[in-house]
Amino acid sequence: DSGVTQTPKHLITATGQRVTLRCSPRSGDLSVYWYQQSLDQGLQFLIQYYNGEERAKGNILERFSAQQFPDLHSELNLSSLELGDSALYFCASSANPDSRRYGYTFGSGTRLTVV
Amino acid sequence: DQQVKQNSPSLSVQEGRISILNCDYTNSMFDYFLWYKKYPAEGPTFLISISSIKDKNEDGRFTVFLNKSAKHLSLHIVPSQPGDSAVYFCAAAGQNFVFGPGTRLSVLP
Repeated sequence: DSGVTQTPKHLITATGQRVTLRCSPRSGDLSVYWYQQSLDQGLQFLIQYYNGEERAKGNILERFSAQQFPDLHSELNLSSLELGDSALYFCASSANPDSRRYGYTFGSGTRLTVV
Repeated sequence: DQQVKQNSPSLSVQEGRISILNCDYTNSMFDYFLWYKKYPAEGPTFLISISSIKDKNEDGRFTVFLNKSAKHLSLHIVPSQPGDSAVYFCAAAGQNFVFGPGTRLSVLP
């Protein structure tokens, strides 16, 4: 157990729908990151939050949004879902926003299937 | 345009032998490089990192080599064990981590 909790583990939904993925970071970690892994692709950075504030944005679609709450958990909202949004979505956390040497701690991911 | 490439999707080695996983990058501004290991149904776990000012970092059976002029790094696992069978991701630290597509390592008993 990495200490980063993601729910749900699996999600199947129809095109056009909206889903929310949840992440609880490791205790004491202030930074949360969201990554998307599509089939045979590397992890694509979506967005980072630090202590409730958006810190960096990657290749996140306008249909996607995220937030980090005062208790530091984070939610990733995906709307108007398309078949191509089917992927593994990982959340990661770190103690500070510049964890270059020791990397991030990842959760086990949420597998989203859009049908 | 992939900034971090792992050109071998898979690699098989015999238990006890050396595993060498390769990674190439394009952006000379990356200042840290990391390797992650991922088992099925789990998230990636951090393995080892190297600063861009070094050319080697060692941690037990794992050694990472960095060749800045060639924009190439490699992970050596010696000796390889069946438990090392996993997908290995190379990552480069820019503003955030940029990950390669991964190499699936199979260590055969």
